[in-house]
Amino acid sequence: AQKVTQAQTEISVVEKEDVTLDCVYETRDTTYYLFWYKQPPSGELVFLIRRNSFDEQNEISGRYSWNFQKSTSSFNFTITASQVVDSAVYFCALSSFKAAGNKLTFGGGTRVLVKP
Amino acid sequence: ETGVTQTPRHLVMGMTNKKSLKCEQHLGHNAMYWYKQSAKKPLELMFVYSLEERVENNSVPSRFSPECPNSSHLFLHLHTLQPEDSALYLCASSPTDREETQYFGPGTRLLVL
Repeated sequence: AQKVTQAQTEISVVEKEDVTLDCVYETRDTTYYLFWYKQPPSGELVFLIRRNSFDEQNEISGRYSWNFQKSTSSFNFTITASQVVDSAVYFCALSSFKAAGNKLTFGGGTRVLVKP
Repeated sequence: ETGVTQTPRHLVMGMTNKKSLKCEQHLGHNAMYWYKQSAKKPLELMFVYSLEERVENNSVPSRFSPECPNSSHLFLHLHTLQPEDSALYLCASSPTDREETQYFGPGTRLLVL
């Protein structure tokens, strides 16, 4: 069975601070994808990034960066110099190669509150 | 319209009502999904459709009835719901039903009285 754990339920920071969101996953598959989604108060899940299990390169996109470590089954997400607009719930998710069905297993989410 | 749209955005219904949620995707994708997001549970996959055929039904009660008339539209027909069915219902689409990125709509927030 697959499992995604986001141990931090809520993080509160002051604007311009960095914030790191932890994600730990479990899977028996050797090939899989990891995702991060952002859910602002409006409700829509916004896709942020997808990494496959063969690519452990860290990635930076603007103020966002991701650290994928297969050895520890972790895919952590850092927001640098946070802004109020970053306030949202962030979900880490895992999907495995399957015949059909493209099941995404989501973590419980981490609520980030950025205060001015 | 772009991306994935859902209507209505908010819905209040009684337990004896019948209503339908609508999802439309403008991305040219062939797979569509319904998810349920409750206050105290992780996002739960309900149904998966690929090229209008249902490929996954995640033990969802029969009071939820999906319909996919074409690859751009997905409906969720609701009847005799329970208060515990109150949740945010999210629709998503992806190019195929294989391990590809899913793009989500804004959701329908449902309250069952």
